[in-house]
Amino acid sequence: DAGITQSPRHKVTETGTPVTLRCHQTENHRYMYWYRQDPGHGLRLIHYSYGVKDTDKGEVSDGYSVSRSKTEDFLLTLESATSSQTSVYFCAISSGTGDNIQYFGAGTRLSVL
Amino acid sequence: LAKTTQPISMDSYEGQEVNITCSHNNIATNDYITWYQQFPSQGPRFIIQGYKTKVTNEVASLFIPADRKSSTLSLPRVSLSDTAVYYCLVGGGNQGGKLIFGQGTELSVKP
Repeated sequence: DAGITQSPRHKVTETGTPVTLRCHQTENHRYMYWYRQDPGHGLRLIHYSYGVKDTDKGEVSDGYSVSRSKTEDFLLTLESATSSQTSVYFCAISSGTGDNIQYFGAGTRLSVL
Repeated sequence: LAKTTQPISMDSYEGQEVNITCSHNNIATNDYITWYQQFPSQGPRFIIQGYKTKVTNEVASLFIPADRKSSTLSLPRVSLSDTAVYYCLVGGGNQGGKLIFGQGTELSVKP
């Protein structure tokens, strides 16, 4: 988890409330990713960013938005949380060049009641 | 995007060699093959990466045939601590971009 911090690590919220998860990196990597992980589904890509203000959708982007105003921060927002968004969320970073290996954060466990 | 297919689960015993094969029939010319390991309640961790032929590090070996349509992760002499989910990922190179994980293989090592 070196160089990647996810906050908060745990959150419980109610249906219909907005939620923002933060991913912060100190590696100056170009690419940042948000995944969700649910039992039986493995890791699914929500959104990713290939630079400041440059983002693209992943496999399961409905209900999520992202923003990247600085190289080091990638925010994931649930505008109106639903119970189906209860999950573990992982942030990852990669350099985008050469081997492009991804490094993952410790995860955020989100419960929407 | 190259889709990957792996066995859902595998069982092994301590001290055995474990081979996990991943199929990726539509791999692109500039795609790398990368394997990750994930323990419960943790993020995935990089194990090994290759482009063609064989790659070996202190943890594992990766075998890639000439057509690159599959790859095999080899874990020598597994221990109980190797019990984890292993993911094969195809993509990256100099393109970055979407990196889609498959279902992964849940390896259970028994004493």
